[in-house]
Amino acid sequence: DTGVSQDPRHKITKRGQNVTFRCDPISEHNRLYWYRQTLGQGPEFLTYFQNEAQLEKSRLLSDRFSAERPKGSFSTLEIQRTEQGDSAMYLCASSSTGGSEAFFGQGTRLTVV
Amino acid sequence: DQQVKQNSPSLSVQEGRISILNCDYTNSMFDYFLWYKKYPAEGPTFLISISSIKDKNEDGRFTVFLNKSAKHLSLHIVPSQPGDSAVYFCAASVLGQGGSEKLVFGKGTKLTVNP
Repeated sequence: DTGVSQDPRHKITKRGQNVTFRCDPISEHNRLYWYRQTLGQGPEFLTYFQNEAQLEKSRLLSDRFSAERPKGSFSTLEIQRTEQGDSAMYLCASSSTGGSEAFFGQGTRLTVV
Repeated sequence: DQQVKQNSPSLSVQEGRISILNCDYTNSMFDYFLWYKKYPAEGPTFLISISSIKDKNEDGRFTVFLNKSAKHLSLHIVPSQPGDSAVYFCAASVLGQGGSEKLVFGKGTKLTVNP
């Protein structure tokens, strides 16, 4: 399977705990995006990497959120001190330079209890 | 402020008929538009796109029309099949910082195709 892969698919955590998600983009794609989708809404942009550089962050990305993409390959999204409002589907997408079509992974469903 | 609007939360059509999903946008800086299809508990799947310099793009049963003056686009599915039942998201690409082409999504329209 050469698509975008995300792990885990589901995560249930207690409020206040830290969680980390992983995304493996399509191998030849140098652009990587994180989005968040809540119930009844479309995905909302969180952050963007070109290779290993994080070049844009949405104001939705509070200080409790951090994302990395070491070596320009896979990416991780960490949420510290989770809150119930963080419950959502976290989606990773990748694209190639000059290509506007972003290809999404299956997402990580986070539930904070 | 919802820059991409899908005003119909749901649409129901009969198998074999045409499905028309609509989308309106407000930002004239959007230069590329995409439609994604999403099944429950899965990520969005890219369906079809159109550049702002075109007014129509066709791919098999799917055609997207763009009316720039009205800031409106639509997705036509002909003929509709039960497997097309899903949530359809309209998205617009906007150039962001560092060359990002982040997507701004509508809230989606749930299409149900009845056999």
